[in-house]
Amino acid sequence: QLVLTQSPSASASLGASVKLTCTLSSGQSSYAIAWYQQQPEKGPRYLMKLNSDGSHSKGDGIPDRFSGSSSGAERYLTISSLQSEDEADYYCQTWGTGIGVFGGGTKLTVL
Amino acid sequence: EVQLVESGGGLVQPGGSLRLSCAASGFTFSSYAMTWVRQAPGKGLEWVSAISGSGGNTYYADSVKGRFTTSRDNSKNTLYLQMNSLRAEDTAVYYCAKHESSSGWIYDYWGQGTLVTVSS
Repeated sequence: QLVLTQSPSASASLGASVKLTCTLSSGQSSYAIAWYQQQPEKGPRYLMKLNSDGSHSKGDGIPDRFSGSSSGAERYLTISSLQSEDEADYYCQTWGTGIGVFGGGTKLTVL
Repeated sequence: EVQLVESGGGLVQPGGSLRLSCAASGFTFSSYAMTWVRQAPGKGLEWVSAISGSGGNTYYADSVKGRFTTSRDNSKNTLYLQMNSLRAEDTAVYYCAKHESSSGWIYDYWGQGTLVTVSS
């Protein structure tokens, strides 16, 4: 069964960096994922596709402050130089044959 | 500029039906698979359904299989979600999303969503 696990919450200070984690279920460590940002009261925004080797391709207009990396079954989203507008929910997502799967999301608070 | 605009949401009684639409512009609609994703109040994102660019292949989450039908009219650049036998747990904001071309089921553009409330 394809499952993505995310911590429910994270926090970091304005101007600092934060690393969010998405963990793939056992046996799926080769899967690529996508990261999305959802600001309050808005629809999701595509950030990037992240491969198992850590290579990633970002969506249109996504700042360089957003980057991705991978290690085994873990996929990371790093946001540097945190800004107030980065306070949002962040979701990872992957897919299997005929199905899409989202992680539960991480609520990021910028202090 | 890619634009996706959902419509058709509203209040419906349990057991009722509703059809959502998603009007697409700014890209060659027929060349891309499309997906519906929903978000219950205060909850996370849930994948609902997908459809291939031609409309010949459709896919559904177990939670909606047999009740929801996804279709598309490529001549009108419009995606549809027919929802029947609605339940209280179907209450959510429904988003349509465009698949990125060659990177699997990744959704590079999203609509603003339309709210469906199932309640008596």
